[in-house]
Amino acid sequence: DTAVSQTPKYLVTQMGNDKSIKCEQNLGHDTMYWYKQDSKKFLKIMFSYNNKELIINETVPNRFSPKSPDKAHLNLHINSLELGDSAVYFCASSQDRGGAPRIPGNTIYFGEGSWLTVV
Amino acid sequence: RKEVEQDPGPFNVPEGATVAFNCTYSNSASQSFFWYRQDCRKEPKLLMSVYSSGNEDGRFTAQLNRASQYISLLIRDSKLSDSATYLCVGGRGSQGNLIFGKGTKLSVKP
Repeated sequence: DTAVSQTPKYLVTQMGNDKSIKCEQNLGHDTMYWYKQDSKKFLKIMFSYNNKELIINETVPNRFSPKSPDKAHLNLHINSLELGDSAVYFCASSQDRGGAPRIPGNTIYFGEGSWLTVV
Repeated sequence: RKEVEQDPGPFNVPEGATVAFNCTYSNSASQSFFWYRQDCRKEPKLLMSVYSSGNEDGRFTAQLNRASQYISLLIRDSKLSDSATYLCVGGRGSQGNLIFGKGTKLSVKP
């Protein structure tokens, strides 16, 4: 079973639409993330939740709204999609807030990514 | 100066070659350093941590140079399967999140 799973994997949609990407982790981790990787391959943190509490909210347009119904799920909803939103969105999870493997096994695990294309 | 900088490459090397990447970081107080590997159209995966004393895992050696604020990754006896993008992590943001570089692309040719 995939540890961090996100759907859909590919999404092509028109400008102005609203879309959601769902993410689930079965690792029992406390912290989940959304990262964005643009065409220049820069992997940038967008949001982070720890036990359903928002702990990181980087400077992203408020058209992006994360929602964590429980600590195993972190969904990303995007309103009024723009061309510049085209990117790969990675969900991730880790046991602690930092996601750093200070102890064996305590690393950050990424989902397979969701390829969003806005046309 | 960007927080974490890497040469994007690509580094094109023949099989069996030794190749090294460097990654510079701006925060002298950083304590968390790692190398991640990302295959084409795949997610990043942890390759190895970088410890102050340097560490080795098979053909891979990671080093930290605090004085010059860079970390390095050395790959010996390159394999075709080593072809990927290597992302370095050079510290944490204010909320503890890892800060990734843009990655260095490696292409190992037969």
